[in-house]
Amino acid sequence: AQSVAQPEDQVNVAEGNPLTVKCTYSVSGNPYLFWYVQYPNRGLQFLLKYITGDNLVKGSYGFEAEFNKSQTSFHLKKPSALVSDSALYFCAVRPMFSGGYNKLIFGAGTRLAVHP
Amino acid sequence: EADIYQTPRYLVIGTGKKITLECSQTMGHDKMYWYQQDPGMELHLIHYSYGVNSTEKGDLSSESTVSRIRTEHFPLTLESARPSHTSQYLCASSDPGQGATDTQYFGPGTRLTVL
Repeated sequence: AQSVAQPEDQVNVAEGNPLTVKCTYSVSGNPYLFWYVQYPNRGLQFLLKYITGDNLVKGSYGFEAEFNKSQTSFHLKKPSALVSDSALYFCAVRPMFSGGYNKLIFGAGTRLAVHP
Repeated sequence: EADIYQTPRYLVIGTGKKITLECSQTMGHDKMYWYQQDPGMELHLIHYSYGVNSTEKGDLSSESTVSRIRTEHFPLTLESARPSHTSQYLCASSDPGQGATDTQYFGPGTRLTVL
């Protein structure tokens, strides 16, 4: 079965420290990979995506993600965390052959808490 | 942020009422989607649309129905709301021009509570 795993329910980081939010996937073929962020009582905001090419993808608000095909991972990273980064982060995968509607498979989400 | 709107943002209603959740986008996107999300949990696709007069059910079975009479509008209706329908409903749309790599953009969501 195709799936996305975010192994940590919550990640705690001190402001100014680097952060990593983990994501691994299990899909057939070469997937397209996405990260979204959700602030309280808001919809999801697109952060970045990997389609092909350079394994390090840069996105909004200083975030980046590294695609690792051998480990089937797409971890989200930021060199220096801000308190305002505290939110719920979702990894999503689109299998290469997902039908005309471009199905997204979401992980369960990881809550990031950045402490002053 | 993308130009996709949902109303109402919050709705508390009694059991048995008929409700319609509105979703509209001004980006001219052909593809639109409805997701259901329990607080702090993953998203589940309940409906999607390729374009006008096209609607399909998603992965998660839902008693709701949708319609797509205009490109920009994709309302979701519950004929008789029940407490089990209490959830957050997120609408999204995606750019038809990017093929399989298109990005889905989300509205702010409607948080529905059925008493």
